[in-house]
Amino acid sequence: GENVEQHPSTLSVQEGDSAVIKCTYSDSASNYFPWYKQELGKGPQLIIDIRSNVGEKKDQRIAVTLNKTAKHFSLHITETQPEDSAVYFCAGGEGGKLIFGQGTELSVKP
Amino acid sequence: GAGVSQSPSNKVTEKGKDVELRCDPISGHTALYWYRQRLGQGLEFLIYFQGNSAPDKSGLPSDRFSAERTGESVSTLTIQRTQQEDSAVYLCASSLVGLEETQYFGPGTRLLVL
Repeated sequence: GENVEQHPSTLSVQEGDSAVIKCTYSDSASNYFPWYKQELGKGPQLIIDIRSNVGEKKDQRIAVTLNKTAKHFSLHITETQPEDSAVYFCAGGEGGKLIFGQGTELSVKP
Repeated sequence: GAGVSQSPSNKVTEKGKDVELRCDPISGHTALYWYRQRLGQGLEFLIYFQGNSAPDKSGLPSDRFSAERTGESVSTLTIQRTQQEDSAVYLCASSLVGLEETQYFGPGTRLLVL
């Protein structure tokens, strides 16, 4: 079955800097890769997703890249703000079943 | 519109007791998912419903765990004879399968087994 590895587990950046989180997956049949943001005490919220027929997708300060050959995908957040501080999860899968990474705790220092 | 709702928000129970966790998906969403999240960990897939059938039960940890769904509506996750290792946040999500795969999550039920 699918296995998703996520790095780093914690990331601390200064406000205004960029943050990059990387994930690798094992199942070449996976075709959908969402990223979720989870704030303390809340359920995960989708921030961006990418499908396997696309190599890159951007939404304002957030971008995701996908390398199908290498089976890895990354989240890029530019011009980070303190409100970006949260736990971020990558996921991969197909047919509706998603396997999640272990999460990255991002801390943006003012 | 209304999002995914879950109840109760918190549940404290004694070891050996049964618990029922409820999920109300977004109206019109045909797919419903249950996940378990232990403290500081990622989300662990439990079960997936398409309508009221469960094509994938592969994540249920043991036969103490079961789930059902009535039509394309409410789902209940039942844990029998709870153990301390069952303590976790149980998250429910729903999606419009066939049109998009985006899963929308509820706030979760925090279960503590004493």
